[in-house]
Amino acid sequence: AQKITQTQPGMFVQEKEAVTLDCTYDTSDPSYGLFWYKQPSSGEMIFLIYQGSYDQQNATEGRYSLNFQKARKSANLVISASQLGDSAMYFCAMRSLSSGSARQLTFGSGTQLTVLP
Amino acid sequence: KAGVTQTPRYLIKTRGQQVTLSCSPISGHRSVSWYQQTPGQGLQFLFEYFSETQRNKGNFPGRFSGRQFSNSRSEMNVSTLELGDSALYLCASSLAGAGDTEAFFGQGTRLTVV
Repeated sequence: AQKITQTQPGMFVQEKEAVTLDCTYDTSDPSYGLFWYKQPSSGEMIFLIYQGSYDQQNATEGRYSLNFQKARKSANLVISASQLGDSAMYFCAMRSLSSGSARQLTFGSGTQLTVLP
Repeated sequence: KAGVTQTPRYLIKTRGQQVTLSCSPISGHRSVSWYQQTPGQGLQFLFEYFSETQRNKGNFPGRFSGRQFSNSRSEMNVSTLELGDSALYLCASSLAGAGDTEAFFGQGTRLTVV
C-alpha cells in the first residue's frame, strides 16, 4: 500500500520569497512516480511537476523544483519567487510504475498556501 | 492540444436520483481515472478505465459505476444518490504506457445532492 503525508495544513509566504511544501511517502514499490498538483478555488487540479524514483536529478519546471530525497522518502516542492496567483491548495501524489501494479494516484491531504502581498 | 474536458461543471440532484458525468481525455490518452474529492475524505480513487475495460476499482459501493467508449471518452454513473455523494468529481487522463509519467486532470464536476 502507498501512503502520502503532508504535515502542513496551511502555509503563509511573503510575495517574492521562496517556500517549501513538505511531502513524505511510503511505498514498497521499487519503481514509482511522484507528482505535485495545484488546486485553486475553482477546483481544477493543475499538474506542476513530476519526479521518477530512478531519476538521478531533481525535477525542475520554471519556478517549481522538487527536492527529492529517496533515502528519507521525501519529495518536497519548492516554489521560488512566490506570486499572489500561487495561493491555492497543493497536493502531493504518487503512483506505482511497476508492471502489473495498480496505477491510481494516491494523494496527500494537501497544503493550503497563502501568498501575502 | 485540448486538455481534459469534464461535463457538466455543476450539477444539483435530489436524493434517490441518478447522475451521469462525462470525461473526454486528452487526444491520444487511453486511460481515464475517476476520483472523488470531499472535505472530509480528501481525494479518493473510484476507478480506472483503459481500452474500454475497468482496470482498477476503489472502495466504493456498487452504486458507482463507469464505462469507457472506443474513443476513450468515459462516463461515470451514480445511482440512488445520497447526501454524502456531494463532492467534486475529477477525472484524470494519461497515456497508460510503460512507466507512465503523465496524469492530467479536468476541471471537475461539482455535484450537490439535496
